[in-house]
Amino acid sequence: ETAVFQTPNYHVTQVGNEVSFNCKQTLGHDTMYWYKQDSKKLLKIMFSYNNKQLIVNETVPRRFSPQSSDKAHLNLRIKSVEPEDSAVYLCASSIGTGGQNTLYFGAGTRLSVL
Amino acid sequence: GDSVTQTEGQVTVSESKSLIINCTYSTTSIAYPNLFWYVRYPGEGLQLLLKVITAGQKGSSRGFEATYNKETTSFHLQKASVQESDSAVYYCALGDPSSFSKLVFGQGTSLSVVP
Repeated sequence: ETAVFQTPNYHVTQVGNEVSFNCKQTLGHDTMYWYKQDSKKLLKIMFSYNNKQLIVNETVPRRFSPQSSDKAHLNLRIKSVEPEDSAVYLCASSIGTGGQNTLYFGAGTRLSVL
Repeated sequence: GDSVTQTEGQVTVSESKSLIINCTYSTTSIAYPNLFWYVRYPGEGLQLLLKVITAGQKGSSRGFEATYNKETTSFHLQKASVQESDSAVYYCALGDPSSFSKLVFGQGTSLSVVP
């Protein structure tokens, strides 16, 4: 099956802890993304990678750091989580880097920070 | 920066009635944007419904249509007769073809189709 796979589906943690989310795509795409969907359902891009290189880095707190081992994997680490980090994190991929490309999304990782 | 505004919140429509979800956009790019509708069905991930990359063109999928109108900067989603299976959350989005892809999404519209 070709798709975008995210783990875990759901994670509960306490303020100050470190968390990591994994994303893998089997679509053969070159570009991967992390989006954040907040409590108001607003979707905003955080990072984008093309062939392991960071190409988009929106204004995101420094405790967030993406990690790409190859073009099929893009992980997200959050050092010392804050309550406002509670959200759904969506991973996506696309064939190319231009704004005309269709994004393929994973099911999301829901983070709850207590 | 770029922004997308769509019909806010929850929309409830009776089965077989017509639907329109409004979407307007704003861009600072010199290029005409690419426009998308994404949908999230219950229990599923976000997926593309339709897209139009040329101003003046119409996209269609699953009975839905949207026309890219650069004069009114709009990309409204329409369907003549909705079904219960259309119940989902719909997102309008904009992509700038002159820069690296970072889709800008509207706030989402939750559609509930009732019998």
